[in-house]
Amino acid sequence: DAGVTQSPTHLIKTRGQQVTLRCSPKSGHDTVSWYQQALGQGPQFIFQYYEEEERQRGNFPDRFSGHQFPNYSSELNVNALLLGDSALYLCASSPSPTGTYEQYFGPGTRLTVT
Amino acid sequence: TQLLEQSPQFLSIQEGENLTVYCNSSSVFSSLQWYRQEPGEGPVLLVTVVTGGEVKKLKRLTFQFGDARKDSSLHITAAQPGDTGLYLCADPNNTDKLIFGTGTRLQVFP
Repeated sequence: DAGVTQSPTHLIKTRGQQVTLRCSPKSGHDTVSWYQQALGQGPQFIFQYYEEEERQRGNFPDRFSGHQFPNYSSELNVNALLLGDSALYLCASSPSPTGTYEQYFGPGTRLTVT
Repeated sequence: TQLLEQSPQFLSIQEGENLTVYCNSSSVFSSLQWYRQEPGEGPVLLVTVVTGGEVKKLKRLTFQFGDARKDSSLHITAAQPGDTGLYLCADPNNTDKLIFGTGTRLQVFP
C-alpha cells in the first residue's frame, strides 16, 4: 500500500518564476492538505482540497493556488516566487471526515528560490 | 490566533538519558496530536490525546494532556539514537487544518 507521494523531491527556481508541486494521496484517501515548513519551524497550513474544491485555506496570499483531480491527486502552484517561499512543502492526505483528524504526510518537496 | 509554543527548542542528550518536552497553547486545545519528523521525511503521527488529564504510553514514550487542556508533555525514557528527530505538537482545531507548534529538535548521541 503506497503512502503519500510527492514530486519532485527538490526544486530550484529563480525569484519571479512559477512552480508546480504534485501530490498523490494514500490509497483510499480523498482529502489532500498542503503545508509549508520553513527551516527550523513547524509546518503551516496552506489549504485543503476535497471533492476537487478548496475547502479550507490558511493565511497565504493568492499567489498560492491549488487543484485536485478526479483521482484525488493534487497540485500546488506558486506564482511570482519570492525568496521567502523557500521551504519544504508537505502534502498530507486523510480519508473523508472521521472525527479522528489523522493525516498522513508525504516526504515533501524542498523548494529553493534564488 | 492560537499559538503553540514548544520547549526546549533544542535538546542534545546521550543514549540512555530521560527527557521531557513541552507544548503550551495560548488557548484550550480541541485535542492534541504529537508527531515526529525525521530528516528528509514528513511528520508521522505518534498519538492523539483528547481528554484533560489523559495519559497515553507508546513503548518508552509517555504523553500527558494537562487538566485544563492548554498544555501537554512528552516524556521519553532511556532515549535511543533512533529517537532523534523533530517533535511537533499540533491541534486539529476540530477540523483537518492542523496548527503546529514550533517544534523541539532532539539529538540522541550513542
